[in-house]
Amino acid sequence: DAKTTQPPSMDCAEGRAANLPCNHSTISGNEYVYWYRQIHSQGPQYIIHGLKNNETNEMASLIITEDRKSSTLILPHATLRDTAVYYCIVRVVDNTDKLIFGTGTRLQVFP
Amino acid sequence: GAGVSQSPSNKVTEKGKDVELRCDPISGHTALYWYRQSLGQGLEFLIYFQGNSAPDKSGLPSDRFSAERTGGSVSTLTIQRTQQEDSAVYLCASSDDMTVNTEAFFGQGTRLTVV
Repeated sequence: DAKTTQPPSMDCAEGRAANLPCNHSTISGNEYVYWYRQIHSQGPQYIIHGLKNNETNEMASLIITEDRKSSTLILPHATLRDTAVYYCIVRVVDNTDKLIFGTGTRLQVFP
Repeated sequence: GAGVSQSPSNKVTEKGKDVELRCDPISGHTALYWYRQSLGQGLEFLIYFQGNSAPDKSGLPSDRFSAERTGGSVSTLTIQRTQQEDSAVYLCASSDDMTVNTEAFFGQGTRLTVV
């Protein structure tokens, strides 16, 4: 079972920041938070990941709470091309390294 | 620099037939994953290969499904006696090692339709 919960859908105006929340209250100390997105009919695309510090790259920023029980993916200036399903994933490492996807958040960016 | 390549991109098969789906991971990547995505649904984990270790087959839905990875590179997912509920997009991903600090790269998938 997925270890994360996300809202099923969100809207965002083009040019505004999109803030996508994720709860992962059972995360373990050595588990990373990963974000992927899937644009219609394409394979998932990696966005960003982090352990406990906030992270930023050319696509997005990741804010992880101090207790690591939740995080927020920030797309600073959303465009229409950012319309996609966004998946928050806790990277499970036991004997294997499965990426377990939840149902994700469908982000709709409107003009 | 080629990414993860999957073939065929589309496959239509008759119920009861066997199908083979192929995945060419990124060169040098030791980890390989198969997922299934039914229409409008999220990704369902099927199987995971890591180097020469025994694969994690815990996600395979039935014994009609099997996968192998030859020479630590190319992988084939086989579905025997296909059923209509097997219709889905089958996605493959690879990553370069088992550490959690490495992202997995996905292919574009094979869309399987069982008629």
